[in-house]
Amino acid sequence: DQQVKQNSPSLSVQEGRISILNCDYTNSMFDYFLWYKKYPAEGPTFLISISSIKDKNEDGRFTVFLNKSAKHLSLHIVPSQPGDSAVYFCAASMSGGATNKLIFGTGTLLAVQP
Amino acid sequence: DAGVTQSPTHLIKTRGQQVTLRCSPKSGHDTVSWYQQALGQGPQFIFQYYEEEERQRGNFPDRFSGHQFPNYSSELNVNALLLGDSALYLCASSEAYGLAGARSTDTQYFGPGTRLTVL
Repeated sequence: DQQVKQNSPSLSVQEGRISILNCDYTNSMFDYFLWYKKYPAEGPTFLISISSIKDKNEDGRFTVFLNKSAKHLSLHIVPSQPGDSAVYFCAASMSGGATNKLIFGTGTLLAVQP
Repeated sequence: DAGVTQSPTHLIKTRGQQVTLRCSPKSGHDTVSWYQQALGQGPQFIFQYYEEEERQRGNFPDRFSGHQFPNYSSELNVNALLLGDSALYLCASSEAYGLAGARSTDTQYFGPGTRLTVL
C-alpha cells in the first residue's frame, strides 16, 4: 500500500522556468511533509518542509504548497537551474507515534535543460 | 559541523553472509534511523534508535538488527543475506526534542549511504 505517491517519474523543464513537482498521500494522519533532493551516489538532502497547520512554506527559490482536503502537496522551484537536476522525494510523517519515521514516495527525476 | 557519516561506502557480500554497516549522526543529534532504498524506489524505514533502544521497526524481518552506542553512533546488522537485500542503506539522524522519552523532531538528515551488493 503506497501511502505517498509521486505519479510523475520524470520532469523536464528549461532553465529559468518554473518546476512543479507533485505528491499525493492517502493517510489523513500525516501531519508533516518534507521534500528531499538526491543526486546519484549521495544521500537525500533536506530541502523544505511544511506542517499540516500551514498551506504554504517558502525558502528562497523553493515553495511547498499543501492542500489537505485534496491530500496533495507540490514543490515549486523558481527559477529552475541546471544544478537542480536530481531526483526529488516527497516524504510524510505523523505525530503521536513513537517516532518520526518517514514514508517516502518513489521520487521524480527533474532535468533542467540549459 | 560534521554531517551524518556512514561506512563503508560500498560492500559486496555473498548470499548467507552477515554484514555490519556503521553510522555517526550529525553533531547534536541523538536519534538515528535506518532506511533501505531499493533501485527505483523511495527509502523504506527499517528502524529507529534513541537512547540506545529500538523505538520502532518497519516491515523488515528479524535478520535486520541494530545497535546504538552511548556516543549515539549506530550499527545496522543483516544476517543470512539474500539477493534481495542488495540496496542502498541510508542512515538519518535527528534531534530529540523535549524531555526524556519525547519523540524526535520531524526533520531527518541523511548520510551518503552504503551500497550493498549481494551476489
